[in-house]
Amino acid sequence: QQPVQSPQAVILREGEDAVINCSSSKALYSVHWYRQKHGEAPVFLMILLKGGEQKGHEKISASFNEKKQQSSLYLTASQLSYSGTYFCGTDYSNSGYALNFGKGTSLLVTP
Amino acid sequence: EAQVTQNPRYLITVTGKKLTVTCSQNMNHEYMSWYRQDPGLGLRQIYYSMNVEVTDKGDVPEGYKVSRKEKRNFPLILESPSPNQTSLYFCASRLKGGGTEAFFGQGTRLTVV
Repeated sequence: QQPVQSPQAVILREGEDAVINCSSSKALYSVHWYRQKHGEAPVFLMILLKGGEQKGHEKISASFNEKKQQSSLYLTASQLSYSGTYFCGTDYSNSGYALNFGKGTSLLVTP
Repeated sequence: EAQVTQNPRYLITVTGKKLTVTCSQNMNHEYMSWYRQDPGLGLRQIYYSMNVEVTDKGDVPEGYKVSRKEKRNFPLILESPSPNQTSLYFCASRLKGGGTEAFFGQGTRLTVV
C-alpha cells in the first residue's frame, strides 16, 4: 500500500521554500524521507518515529503527525543541489520489513 | 565500506531468456528487498525477505522469484522475462525494526526486447 505524496512536481527558484506532503490510509509507525538524483540510488535524509517527532537536516526538516497519519518535508531557502525526486517511505509497525514508498515528488530548483 | 552491491548495472536481454540480478550487502542486515522503479509509479516492492529462508511477496511479484540462502545475498530471478519487466531495479537492506534506515544498491537498468 503506497503512501500518497503531494504535490507531484514543484519548480522553485533558488532561495524559495517548499513543502512536500506524505499521507497514509493506515496507522504509521515511522516515516522515512529519501532524495534521488536522476538514475541514481535513493539517498536517506531522515526518519521520524511516531510520537509527533520533528527532525532537521541542515535546511531540510520534517514533521510527523501520528493522528493524521501524515508527514511533511520542509525545504527552506532551497539550493540548486536540492533538485531531485523526493520519496517518503512508511513502516506500519515496529517489525518493519520492507518500506512502502510513495510515487515521489519531483523538485526542480532553478537559478 | 558499508554497501549494497548489485550486478549487473545495465542489462539488455531478449524475451524469455532467464536472468538473475545479484544483490549483496556487507552490513549483516536482516531485511532485504527488491523494488522496481517506473516513471510516475515510484518505487514498488517486488519481494522482501525478513531473514535467511524467509521471503514474502510485495506489491508486484508476478514474473519474479527470489531466494535467500545466505544472509548477505538476495538475488532476483526472472525466469522468462517479458518487455513489461523493462525497468530500473533497486535492492535495499536494513536492520530489523520499523525505524531503521534502508540502504540501496546502485540500481540495475534492465531492458527486455
